[in-house]
Amino acid sequence: SAVISQKPSRDICQRGTSLTIQCQVDSQVTMMFWYRQQPGQSLTLIATANQGSEATYESGFVIDKFPISRPNLTFSTLTVSNMSPEDSSIYLCSGGQSNTEAFFGQGTRLTVV
Amino acid sequence: GDSVTQMEGPVTLSEEAFLTINCTYTATGYPSLFWYVQYPGEGLQLLLKATKADDKGSNKGFEATYRKETTSFHLEKGSVQVSDSAVYFCALLNYGQNFVFGPGTRLSVLP
Repeated sequence: SAVISQKPSRDICQRGTSLTIQCQVDSQVTMMFWYRQQPGQSLTLIATANQGSEATYESGFVIDKFPISRPNLTFSTLTVSNMSPEDSSIYLCSGGQSNTEAFFGQGTRLTVV
Repeated sequence: GDSVTQMEGPVTLSEEAFLTINCTYTATGYPSLFWYVQYPGEGLQLLLKATKADDKGSNKGFEATYRKETTSFHLEKGSVQVSDSAVYFCALLNYGQNFVFGPGTRLSVLP
């Protein structure tokens, strides 16, 4: 298994600003993903974070709004850019050694005012 | 595409009651099936999984059996506790694809 830590755990941000969320894994993992969980809803995959190359985004998510970095096999960041109240959600980092498992961080609860 | 359907919540039970949360799926091929649990203010934790038909996943008193004939993976527990109060997500993973999560079912257990 892998232990995934996210920072910050929560934040309240002004609209128009950007927030960068960090995800640290305690061991090297092949796969890392970012999800969004809107209030009372299920998880929606934002993108797959690829080490050393551009992330692979799902339909409806774009790099300009959600830039992602993954400089190595244990660390990734997600930035939520030019935030609006509609971006208020929980953002979850996930990772695993293969595409057959997924361990999750505790999430970042973002409120945009 | 692949999808997961869960029974709507919230589900409210008294302590020591029997729990069933229904989960059915639509998928091509032979996906792996999972149950994740999300406690208040936390991320998702893997509760149990099954990778092929007729497999039974179990953990912490929870069980689910992979039923290919009914495309189901219902979660059961014989005697729930207040500490089981959480949101439960059924999910599937098809080879070469990404996880697909159900909408989640909120469980509240009353003392």
